[in-house]
Amino acid sequence: EIVLTQSPATLSLSPGERATLSCRASQSVSNYLAWYQQKPGQAPRLLIHSASNRATGIPARFSGSGSGTDFSLHISSLEPEDFAVYYCQQRYNWPLTFGGGTKVEIK
Amino acid sequence: EVQLVESGGGLEQPGGSLRLSCAASGFTFSSDAMSWVRQAPGKGLEWVSVITGNGGSTYYADSVEGRFTISRDNSKNTLYLQMNSLRADDTAIYYCAKGLGSNWLTFDYWGQGTLVTVSS
Repeated sequence: EIVLTQSPATLSLSPGERATLSCRASQSVSNYLAWYQQKPGQAPRLLIHSASNRATGIPARFSGSGSGTDFSLHISSLEPEDFAVYYCQQRYNWPLTFGGGTKVEIK
Repeated sequence: EVQLVESGGGLEQPGGSLRLSCAASGFTFSSDAMSWVRQAPGKGLEWVSVITGNGGSTYYADSVEGRFTISRDNSKNTLYLQMNSLRADDTAIYYCAKGLGSNWLTFDYWGQGTLVTVSS
């Protein structure tokens, strides 16, 4: 099973600041990685697929990078609605797995 | 507009069974793979199962293999998850999720989830 390790567990930032979230895979997943955002009481929302492709309707302040084992999600300037939990997910191998999540909270 | 609406959750005793449903609309249901993903209270996301658009292939997480069965009725635009031999650690919100076209193991739309509680 491919283990995805997200860091940090919690990121405390202010609106307007830049956020960088990390996802590290226990073995290469090529670019078969997605990022999701989840707010309290809501379902997850797809942000990024195939490591760097924004999903439909996702603002340009969200971007993804990386390949192989190291990936990042960048939020260029945090808006109030961006404070949430973010998960990465790999589709390279069975079983599909998610990272443990990074919570982006207001500082 | 894509809509996914889950139903069928509730309280069940250990060893019991439940069948979840997910009613889909707003897209060509038979063209897309569909998955179930669950989230235990206060925890992260766990993929459970996926079925291809024509229902010909299914895959399961080890934790549910042999106990859960995913299926779909394309004439009714509905996805199912038959859950047998339920255990306490199956307690979670169960989401159905739509596959992103050819990128079928990425989930571009999610339902709001249905809560399954397994307890005596």
